[in-house]
Amino acid sequence: AQSVSQHNHHVILSEAASLELGCNYSYGGTVNLFWYVQYPGQHLQLLLKYFSGDPLVKGIKGFEAEFIKSKFSFNLRKPSVQWSDTAEYFCAVEAAGNKLTFGGGTRVLVKP
Amino acid sequence: DTEVTQTPKHLVMGMTNKKSLKCEQHMGHRAMYWYKQKAKKPPELMFVYSYEKLSINESVPSRFSPECPNSSLLNLHLHALQPEDSALYLCASSQEGRGLPETQYFGPGTRLLVL
Repeated sequence: AQSVSQHNHHVILSEAASLELGCNYSYGGTVNLFWYVQYPGQHLQLLLKYFSGDPLVKGIKGFEAEFIKSKFSFNLRKPSVQWSDTAEYFCAVEAAGNKLTFGGGTRVLVKP
Repeated sequence: DTEVTQTPKHLVMGMTNKKSLKCEQHMGHRAMYWYKQKAKKPPELMFVYSYEKLSINESVPSRFSPECPNSSLLNLHLHALQPEDSALYLCASSQEGRGLPETQYFGPGTRLLVL
């Protein structure tokens, strides 16, 4: 069975710092990759996705992610975070049948 | 419009009650999903409907019974639940659910407490 792991459970950083969240998955075939964000009290929202093509994908709110097939990774980055980026971030992998498997999530707290 | 709506927002029920969760989308999507999210955990897939037919059941106990009356609506009927079933129940929808790459759009969830 496929699995998705997010390396950090909690990340605390100051405004303007750079953010990188790790995501690795275990599945040998073709995958579709997603990062979702859940702001406090709000529902899951799509940040960005990778289906094919350029492995560097840009999403909303200045986020980007890079798919490295050889490393089974899809890390999320933002060069300069804001207080409003405080949220929980979920990496998700879709391997077959439109079944999404989520990573454990990373709670990010940005201090003003 | 990428909105998925869910009702109720909160639900408290006893172990002998019967209740239903409702989900609606008007994006023309033909695939709809139920996920369960326990506190501080990621969402876990329960059911997938594609073109109003149940295509995936992730070995969910029969006390959870999904229903897709039409392409815009998805229900989750609850009966004889256990306290450990308390969780946030999320609905999502996507284009077709037939295996091609798609984005799932999530609703705000129903927070269920079973006493």
